[in-house]
Amino acid sequence: QVTLKESGPVLVKPTETLTLTCSVSGFSLNNPRMGVSWIRQPPGKALEWLAHLFSNDEKAYSSSLESRLTISKDASKSQVVLTMTNMDPVDTATYYCTRSHPRAGVAFDIWGQGTMVTVSS
Amino acid sequence: EIVLTQSPGTLSLSPGERATLSCRASQSVSSIYLAWYQQKPGQAPRLLIYGASSRATGIPDRFSGSGSGADFTLTISRLEPEDFAVYYCQQFEDSSWTFGQGTKVEIK
Repeated sequence: QVTLKESGPVLVKPTETLTLTCSVSGFSLNNPRMGVSWIRQPPGKALEWLAHLFSNDEKAYSSSLESRLTISKDASKSQVVLTMTNMDPVDTATYYCTRSHPRAGVAFDIWGQGTMVTVSS
Repeated sequence: EIVLTQSPGTLSLSPGERATLSCRASQSVSSIYLAWYQQKPGQAPRLLIYGASSRATGIPDRFSGSGSGADFTLTISRLEPEDFAVYYCQQFEDSSWTFGQGTKVEIK
């Protein structure tokens, strides 16, 4: 069974750096053509794509947030990590990690349950 | 960056009725990179349609996708009670993904 699970702090202060971990099971992060993205959703608002890690280690970032984001992986631990610097209250959201699988093109076929992050002093 | 505009914002329908949701892109999108998701309150989104018209695993055939260029449609042929939710379209281009703002399908 393929699963993804997000973990990280529930509360961060403004200007702090957020570090989120996505732990995957049921597939390998080294599997060709698979990838993992981070997507967020502020309360009551739409989904926003943040960053993607391709199986060949190439990375892609949202143009509006690129300067604040870093995505990386530890394949031995089956984990993908997202860091976001200089957090602000507008970054309060549920953060999801998701998988792209070649059988679904570049769509995201499996999602984690999400982790809610609140930015407040 | 390609902007996706979904309409209507809210669709009020009764169970058994047909739902037609629109997704319009600010420029032409490759059909193979257009997807639709369903999201229920408190849940993660679920992939419904990829490649504009292919149903994801386990998705009932009352859900269908169509369209090309800049105009795409998600159709639910006969609404079941579990179909009342928010639906998002998504596209991919140049190693970047964007989502529409969503259409809420609510019970009339």
